[in-house]
Amino acid sequence: NAGVMQNPRHLVRRRGQEARLRCSPMKGHSHVYWYRQLPEEGLKFMVYLQKENIIDESGMPKERFSAEFPKEGPSILRIQQVVRGDSAAYFCASSSPGQGFFGELFFGEGSRLTVL
Amino acid sequence: AQRVTQPEKLLSVFKGAPVELKCNYSYSGSPELFWYVQYSRQRLQLLLRHISRESIKGFTADLNKGETSFHLKKPFAQEEDSAMYYCALANQGGKLIFGQGTELSVKP
Repeated sequence: NAGVMQNPRHLVRRRGQEARLRCSPMKGHSHVYWYRQLPEEGLKFMVYLQKENIIDESGMPKERFSAEFPKEGPSILRIQQVVRGDSAAYFCASSSPGQGFFGELFFGEGSRLTVL
Repeated sequence: AQRVTQPEKLLSVFKGAPVELKCNYSYSGSPELFWYVQYSRQRLQLLLRHISRESIKGFTADLNKGETSFHLKKPFAQEEDSAMYYCALANQGGKLIFGQGTELSVKP
């Protein structure tokens, strides 16, 4: 089991471009979480998804950010018209549906977005 | 409001000294609390969860509901304990809320 896979590991975009970050959860996991870590700050929750459903998007900025977790394929975090303030490390985590409330999250290595 | 506070950004101790990483939380329900750790060049991983009442790598953490704290302790720090430590709270909806993290540096 390769663990949670995120790509790209590093992404450079110019202001106004789009950024797409992908996350493949661990085998057998159907819950995906996205977190953002800004410089000098902790991990901030963004969104919690299950296959084809957004469960909790309370941490997502209202504009430009969207996330999906389709029936097939990886989860995608999409940032449109990026600005310099979007520069951060974006972490994906997954968990097993059987673990419920007490579930351990398994993290990817993160995708570092730099906006020029 | 649901919040996790780790007041220390950096904690530096000498090998063999006791270590305590502080964590306070704010949550109206019955909290489920965790400590996650990130060693250098490794992924963030679970260290321990309060419900298990376990000791991992010599670390323990006791939930104190009166003080709303979940401090992480180890009686004798080792150099390999140097890492970034995050306290986290899970709410009923399945969301994990993290503190800002404390960098532990254990000097020889």
